[in-house]
Amino acid sequence: EVQLVESGGGLVQPGGSLRLSCAASGFTFSDYWMSWVRQAPGKGLEWVANIKPDGREKYYVDSVKGRFTISRDNAKNSLYLQMNSLRAEDTAVYYCVRVGVCSGGICYEVFLYWGQGNLVTVSS
Amino acid sequence: DIQMTQSPSSLSASVGDRITITCRASQGIRNDLGWYQQKPGKPPKRLIYAASSLQSGVPSRFSGSGSGTEFTLTITSLQPEDFATYYCLQHMSYPWTFGQGTKVEIK
Repeated sequence: EVQLVESGGGLVQPGGSLRLSCAASGFTFSDYWMSWVRQAPGKGLEWVANIKPDGREKYYVDSVKGRFTISRDNAKNSLYLQMNSLRAEDTAVYYCVRVGVCSGGICYEVFLYWGQGNLVTVSS
Repeated sequence: DIQMTQSPSSLSASVGDRITITCRASQGIRNDLGWYQQKPGKPPKRLIYAASSLQSGVPSRFSGSGSGTEFTLTITSLQPEDFATYYCLQHMSYPWTFGQGTKVEIK
């Protein structure tokens, strides 16, 4: 059974930093692209970042470029999101999501598996 | 960036009704589109992939259609458990973008 379990969220002051982690199990983690998706309170879904299985390609939404870094440790079956220079508008539930397998610019099983989400609140 | 315009933003319907939700892409996205259902306090659940393929385990009253720039999600004979918020997602090019969501409420 595929499981994605996020941790590391909480309350942080504007300008502060936080690191989210996602522990993956039930599949060969090193074969899959992975993603972070967020949802501000009462709002819609927003894709944040993707990372290739070997970690060498990363993509970000413009609003987090230069502030957030997605990374992974395949030996530990773990995905991370380092969030720096946090702003009030980054307040959201952050989901760890399995993208799927991507080849030739086409991805399969996109966002089939989601974690339960982890709340990050940026407030003074 | 590809914008996904989803409509309507909300709708009221009765059990047994047929409803249709539309997503329009600002440029062609082939069939790189999925539909997701989200209930309060839960993560989204994938219903449709590749614009028109039904995810395993999802009831056949859900269907998707379209290609290029216009896509629809149809639910025939709405059931009580279908009252939720629905999102489309394009994953043809970065940044991947979701539609704004459609909240389906009980009339």
